[in-house]
Amino acid sequence: DTGVSQDPRHKITKRGQNVTFRCDPISEHNRLYWYRQTLGQGPEFLTYFQNEAQLEKSRLLSDRFSAERPKGSFSTLEIQRTEQGDSAMYLCASSSGQVYGYTFGSGTRLTVV
Amino acid sequence: KNEVEQSPQNLTAQEGEFITINCSYSVGISALHWLQQHPGGGIVSLFMLSSGKKKHGRLIATINIQEKHSSLHITASHPRDSAVYICAVIVSSGSRLTFGEGTQLTVNP
Repeated sequence: DTGVSQDPRHKITKRGQNVTFRCDPISEHNRLYWYRQTLGQGPEFLTYFQNEAQLEKSRLLSDRFSAERPKGSFSTLEIQRTEQGDSAMYLCASSSGQVYGYTFGSGTRLTVV
Repeated sequence: KNEVEQSPQNLTAQEGEFITINCSYSVGISALHWLQQHPGGGIVSLFMLSSGKKKHGRLIATINIQEKHSSLHITASHPRDSAVYICAVIVSSGSRLTFGEGTQLTVNP
């Protein structure tokens, strides 16, 4: 297992386009998190899955954002009708539970032009 | 006011200096993490603490649950320690991380 993988690493898109990011967690980890980080700030929580169930969504996650984890393994985060304010680093992390710590992916850097 | 506050925001040190980064939080927590983020974005977990003190190489992390405060210390700092250090907590009732804004550390040779 090579850790948490995110794809793509970088994405440049035009305003109004849809984008989709993928996260492959560590295979034994049942919990998967998405966070968003803008320049100079700490990451902010977006959403969380336990297995295939989406258990929590931040109010930051507008109706243009949707996330899935269909088989409890990899997850996708889709942003529809992208806006310049969506430009950020999108981070995925996975864990086995609170006491076992987190493993982060390298992130997907989105630039909306 | 953020639930997790770090200080200082920026820190510049000379190689070999002892460094301390502080983290205060205002909520009940089940655990606190110290994370390191290098340019390019990847985040590495350094420590997870729920009480006491942990040491790994030149890094030491302490937490005082009663005072809602944690510190990260780096002994004999080196230019390769230059990075952003982020404190993050898991609120008692939840499982997600709530992050501080990070401390940008620069260690000059």
